[in-house]
Amino acid sequence: SQTIHQWPATLVQPVGSPLSLECTVEGTSNPNLYWYRQAAGRGLQLLFYSVGIGQISSEVPQNLSASRPQDRQFILSSKKLLLSDSGFYLCAWSHSVLAKNIQYFGAGTRLSVL
Amino acid sequence: SQKIEQNSEALNIQEGKTATLTCNYTNYSPAYLQWYRQDPGRGPVFLLLIRENEKEKRKERLKVTFDTTLKQSLFHITASQPADSATYLCALEPTGGGNKLTFGTGTQLKVEL
Repeated sequence: SQTIHQWPATLVQPVGSPLSLECTVEGTSNPNLYWYRQAAGRGLQLLFYSVGIGQISSEVPQNLSASRPQDRQFILSSKKLLLSDSGFYLCAWSHSVLAKNIQYFGAGTRLSVL
Repeated sequence: SQKIEQNSEALNIQEGKTATLTCNYTNYSPAYLQWYRQDPGRGPVFLLLIRENEKEKRKERLKVTFDTTLKQSLFHITASQPADSATYLCALEPTGGGNKLTFGTGTQLKVEL
């Protein structure tokens, strides 16, 4: 069966520090991968998605970047965090052919930028 | 512009009653509509998917309807239980796909004893 791992669960970082959040998927190949951010009491905002290694689409201009160095690994990064980067970050995967783009989410990372 | 609207006010119902949540959309021609459940501090979990040519889909105590004329989906939970308390999100995949979903902001359901 497929599983998705996302870490860390919580993170407190000072303004101006770098960020690296990692997400890995097991049990499937060539998944679509997604990074979302969810502000408190708000909906899911799609930040990046990827349909293959090295293929990244950015949905909103921002202080963040994403990379997909391996088929089942998706990394969210920032060189310098802003206060506004605080939020709940979720990684998800889907498979267009096998699963009709149903998305399966990781447990999330609660990021607090102070 | 494209919009997905769900009632932002929490829905409080009594245990055993049927909960009905609404998802309205504009300027979409979705191939599918999906419903997810999200518990506090957790990622959303997929519940049901309904296609544009389906009127209704059921899974145990859950029922989803999809009216592409009204541009609306209704999500029903029958015989609701306190364990059903959560936020429920609808999500659209536009016709043509693009491997993306757009999520509504969700409606919080509270089932009281």
